[in-house]
Amino acid sequence: KAGVTQTPRYLIKTRGQQVTLSCSPISGHRSVSWYQQTPGQGLQFLFEYFSETQRNKGNFPGRFSGRQFSNSRSEMNVSTLELGDSALYLCASSSTGTSTVTQYFGPGTRLLVL
Amino acid sequence: AQRVTQPEKLLSVFKGAPVELKCNYSYSGSPELFWYVQYSRQRLQLLLRHISRESIKGFTADLNKGETSFHLKKPFAQEEDSAMYYCALHGSSNTGKLIFGQGTTLQVKP
Repeated sequence: KAGVTQTPRYLIKTRGQQVTLSCSPISGHRSVSWYQQTPGQGLQFLFEYFSETQRNKGNFPGRFSGRQFSNSRSEMNVSTLELGDSALYLCASSSTGTSTVTQYFGPGTRLLVL
Repeated sequence: AQRVTQPEKLLSVFKGAPVELKCNYSYSGSPELFWYVQYSRQRLQLLLRHISRESIKGFTADLNKGETSFHLKKPFAQEEDSAMYYCALHGSSNTGKLIFGQGTTLQVKP
């Protein structure tokens, strides 16, 4: 099986712009979670989608949003970028998202905001 | 509040020495805990989960509810164990939310 893929792998944006990141889960997986990884805050949960519905949301401002399509692919959008949004954004997929199944992580998208 | 604490940023040991990576958690209810590992230039991947009570690559972890700990142990470290290790708590059993600790870099010296 192909692993979780994320595109693009690297992005450079300027403050005030918006960005969309994409995550393609492993075939058959219906749950996609997003995480922000920074040196200062570590790995922080953004949100999770299951069968096109947001099932859980972390403590991030409304500038961070996401969606999931019928093929389980997910996108994450950040509007009005700030310098502090520079981070590695990881997505993870699993069949159900519950604790009994393994979550598989993608390679991440590294976002740099100038 | 749900929280995972890994007190050590870096743990450096010699090959063949025992390893213990510490993890403490805060969670009301029955916690479900995991250890994830990230080797250099590789993806974050699951190492083990407490409900399986298994040994993976010689690593074991026991959940101690009294001490709210889930320390990762290996009796004899190998150079290939050098990596970043994250302890994680499943935030809600019915969703994919994971709460991660800050991570500990394990460096195994020859």
